[in-house]
Amino acid sequence: SQQGEEDPQALSIQEGENATMNCSYKTSINNLQWYRQNSGRGLVHLILIRSNEREKHSGRLRVTLDTSKKSSSLLITASRAADTASYFCATDAAGGGNKLTFGTGTQLKVEL
Amino acid sequence: GAVVSQHPSRVICKSGTSVKIECRSLDFQATTMFWYRQFPKKSLMLMATSNEGSKATYEQGVEKDKFLINHASLTLSTLTVTSAHPEDSSFYICSTAKSGTKNTEAFFGQGTRLTVV
Repeated sequence: SQQGEEDPQALSIQEGENATMNCSYKTSINNLQWYRQNSGRGLVHLILIRSNEREKHSGRLRVTLDTSKKSSSLLITASRAADTASYFCATDAAGGGNKLTFGTGTQLKVEL
Repeated sequence: GAVVSQHPSRVICKSGTSVKIECRSLDFQATTMFWYRQFPKKSLMLMATSNEGSKATYEQGVEKDKFLINHASLTLSTLTVTSAHPEDSSFYICSTAKSGTKNTEAFFGQGTRLTVV
């Protein structure tokens, strides 16, 4: 399977703490994207990082990309209960034409 | 507002019947759309790539006669689950990106929860 791996599979933290999720993938990529999914719903795009970028920020989100290790991380700072969701990384393979391969996902639970 | 509209959001059908799911690109023309399937608490798995005006490209292990894809216009792709069985129960979701672009986010439909009884 070409599917990427994410860890941890599940993460439970207290509100206000930071949450870090990691993603590893297998092929050369154009970009890597992070998505959020609330239970039983569609996907919400969070951030896209290109293969020539190493770090990107958006609000409370910080994404890093290490193409030599084929890995990425998503950091959510000052987490809130509303951040509770599943988070997926997805890679757009070089030459893939916007066809995404998703990681296994991390289920984040932020408790009050 | 939504860029991709998927309909219906939920459907319950009897075993042996067929179900059609529509995916519409609202803001731009989409020569290519993608169909994914997601089992409970699992990740999304690509089923097929829908190409406007030509045959869809199916991923390994996906039966093309079971999951019929039609992409008859630049804004609409349909997925028909034929002769549905309980094991076809799943969350189906489509996506697209602006044609001819690279390094751009994909836009997803709201998904369709199919339950076959």
